[in-house]
Amino acid sequence: QVQLQESGPGLVKPSQTLSLTCTVSGGSISSGSYYWSWIRQPAGKGLEWIGRIYTSGSTNYNPSLKSRVTISVDTSKNQFSLKLSSVTAADTAVYYCASTDWVTGAFDIWGQGTMVTVSS
Amino acid sequence: QSVLTQPPSASGTPGQRVTISCSGSSSNIGSNYVYWYQQLPGTAPKLLIYRNNQRPSGVPDRFSGSKSGTSASLAISGLRSEDEADYYCAAWDDSLSAYVVFGGGTKLTVL
Repeated sequence: QVQLQESGPGLVKPSQTLSLTCTVSGGSISSGSYYWSWIRQPAGKGLEWIGRIYTSGSTNYNPSLKSRVTISVDTSKNQFSLKLSSVTAADTAVYYCASTDWVTGAFDIWGQGTMVTVSS
Repeated sequence: QSVLTQPPSASGTPGQRVTISCSGSSSNIGSNYVYWYQQLPGTAPKLLIYRNNQRPSGVPDRFSGSKSGTSASLAISGLRSEDEADYYCAAWDDSLSAYVVFGGGTKLTVL
């Protein structure tokens, strides 16, 4: 059974770049059956899709974040990563990585989430 | 301001049937599948319904989804205390570049 685990700094200074990694275990990130996504949730608020990547490297991003987001994949490490530049306090949130099933289009497996606070 | 509109709260007593609505537009719900996720307190969301009305294995048949035009609904029958959670609808939106939009979430309280 595939499992996802987010990792990265829990505190980022304003104007800097937020960097997170999602490690895939129990399966290959290159299996071809999944897209790999990032989703975030500010405290007490709803979910916001950030973007996704396929193992070929093709990406889709939320238009509201596109200018600041880069999602990449490292198949040798079975990981995919998120970089969000020029962060502000509004980027403080729990960040989830999730797999998107190619057939159903659903976020069917989620990481436990990691809290990132933007503060000086 | 979420692209998909959900009521912020819903409630019911054990055994009751409750429905949660999700309203969108022609660029999202009107032309794409709807998904529903359940988020228990302090946990990651869990897939509840995919492709409008399909249940993943392990999801009880008390949960059902439907879609009509630019709106969708999640129905929960035989309400149980463990159903108390936040529920989110989601769909792809084709208005700009293709991207996923979520509803603002509905907090379900079991009285």
